[in-house]
Amino acid sequence: DVKVTQSSRYLVKRTGEKVFLECVQDMDHENMFWYRQDPGLGLRLIYFSYDVKMKEKGDIPEGYSVSREKKERFSLILESASTNQTSMYLCASSPPGYNEQFFGPGTRLTVL
Amino acid sequence: KNEVEQSPQNLTAQEGEFITINCSYSVGISALHWLQQHPGGGIVSLFMLSSGKKKHGRLIATINIQEKHSSLHITASHPRDSAVYICAVPRNTGNQFYFGTGTSLTVIP
Repeated sequence: DVKVTQSSRYLVKRTGEKVFLECVQDMDHENMFWYRQDPGLGLRLIYFSYDVKMKEKGDIPEGYSVSREKKERFSLILESASTNQTSMYLCASSPPGYNEQFFGPGTRLTVL
Repeated sequence: KNEVEQSPQNLTAQEGEFITINCSYSVGISALHWLQQHPGGGIVSLFMLSSGKKKHGRLIATINIQEKHSSLHITASHPRDSAVYICAVPRNTGNQFYFGTGTSLTVIP
């Protein structure tokens, strides 16, 4: 079974803090994705990566950066957290092509 | 402009009812995905279909490629079916998807 894990289920941070969200997958998938999910807006793609050290901006990259130093790990970084970044963050991985994406359990981030 | 539209946004049903969730899309696709998200966050894939109909237990998914429309049906609904159901279609590039905003289903005992 594919397993995608995220470092925290719940996180509370203060405005201006630097926040790291980590995602690890154990199926050697090339593609990894970071989404945020907000009521009424659905899943929105922040960044994705199709290989180690490769990254591409998604639909809403502003205020975020990512790092992929190893194939199994994809990190999302909020350089200076703001209250409008309070959201559910979901990581996913997939093999090449438009195949099923495997999602992690999500991190509910609250920025105060 | 939303490439994927779902309806209804919210749905409450009595246990045992037959449920239909609809998904319309505006892009050409090779396949459509239905996903399920239970309270607590985790998303799992239910179906990937490119034509006709697929069935898994009490869940049935249909797609009409010409009309760019898919439906997810749940027969004999149960409270454990309470979840958000999300429709997704591939974009043209980058192994990415367009996602619907989801249908929140609550099944009452």
